[in-house]
Amino acid sequence: DGGITQSPKYLFRKEGQNVTLSCEQNLNHDAMYWYRQDPGQGLRLIYYSQIVNDFQKGDIAEGYSVSREKKESFPLTVTSAQKNPTAFYLCASSPTLRGETQYFGPGTRLLVL
Amino acid sequence: AQSVTQPDIHITVSEGASLELRCNYSYGATPYLFWYVQSPGQGLQLLLKYFSGDTLVQGIKGFEAEFKRSQSSFNLRKPSVHWSDAAEYFCAVGASGNQFYFGTGTSLTVIP
Repeated sequence: DGGITQSPKYLFRKEGQNVTLSCEQNLNHDAMYWYRQDPGQGLRLIYYSQIVNDFQKGDIAEGYSVSREKKESFPLTVTSAQKNPTAFYLCASSPTLRGETQYFGPGTRLLVL
Repeated sequence: AQSVTQPDIHITVSEGASLELRCNYSYGATPYLFWYVQSPGQGLQLLLKYFSGDTLVQGIKGFEAEFKRSQSSFNLRKPSVHWSDAAEYFCAVGASGNQFYFGTGTSLTVIP
């Protein structure tokens, strides 16, 4: 069954802690994306990757880091430098050609303790 | 600069009534346009997309959208709303490198 999986569904972060959100896809897509969703602000792009071992910053990359060591995996680390990390995080993937649909995972909700 | 505007933050309709959600975009080249739906606590599901050809696009769940280049609009419509259509709806434009720019969303409430 093809798709995108994100884990965990809920994640709690303590002050000064880094946490990593997992995103895996088996759609054989080259491009992967991380978005942050806050109420009333829609989706904002954090990072994206169009090919393995390469990624670019989106509009709100500060306080976040990513890696793309495998085509099917694009983990996002929320570092202690991100002062307001509470949000819903969505991962997506697509072929790289413009106009192709982005397919979304179910999301991870990050809460700060 | 690319942008998408959804002027209606929240809309309430009665079940069985018609629906139109507005979307305006700003993009320098030929736009690729999308509508997604999101249920609470879930990811986004594609409803329909436009990239060329017929300006009236049919999607899933009985939705359709019309691309109007002169008005820079891509409004979503449904003739008869069902209670299960209550959700958040997002319009997006696809830009170079297949980056998407999303609107801020319209929340739909359906009353019996």
